[in-house]
Amino acid sequence: DIVMIQSPDSLAVSLGERATINCKSSRNVLYTSNSKNYLGWYQQKPGQPPKLLIYWASTRESGVPDRFSGSGSGTDFTLTISSLQAEDVAVYYCQQYYSPPFTFGPGTKVDIK
Amino acid sequence: EVQLLESGGGLVQPGGSLRLSCAASGFTFSSYAMSWVRQAPGKGLEWVSVISGSGDNTYYADSVKGRFTISRDNSMNTLYLQMNSLRAEDTAVYYCAKGAGGSCDSNLDFWGQGTLVTVSS
Repeated sequence: DIVMIQSPDSLAVSLGERATINCKSSRNVLYTSNSKNYLGWYQQKPGQPPKLLIYWASTRESGVPDRFSGSGSGTDFTLTISSLQAEDVAVYYCQQYYSPPFTFGPGTKVDIK
Repeated sequence: EVQLLESGGGLVQPGGSLRLSCAASGFTFSSYAMSWVRQAPGKGLEWVSVISGSGDNTYYADSVKGRFTISRDNSMNTLYLQMNSLRAEDTAVYYCAKGAGGSCDSNLDFWGQGTLVTVSS
């Protein structure tokens, strides 16, 4: 099974500042035949179901603000919130959908400093 | 508008069974893979199972393999999760989620509100 690791476990960022979350997979999730990284990022606010933010590691889902961006390839990935807003307080999860079981990372909690 | 409505959760004794349902609307159900993801109280997300749009392919987490069965009725636009031999550690909110494509290797682009399963004597 592919193990997903996220860092940090939690972080507190001032409003308007940058937040960076890292995700590392134990195996490569880049499918060379189509050059796609099978990696998604989800946001979960308290009391709500998760919401897809980013897929193929760097493609923003429709309607997601452009302050959210994803990068990385192979085994190392990053979710960046360029200018943190109050409504971004949430837990963020990465997930690989390259090989079943399609495992999630443990989550990173983002708060306001 | 995409809608996913889970039902069937509740309190069940250890060793018991439960069947969850997820009624889908707002999209061509048979064209998309569907998944179950669970979240134990205060914990992170745990992927449980996925079924392809056609129903031909299914995969399971090791923690539920042999006890849970995912299925779908494309004529009724409904996804199911049959859960047998339930354990205390299966206690969680169970989310139904729509895949972005018909194959199992898809990201999850829409989630239901979830249904709570509690396994306790």
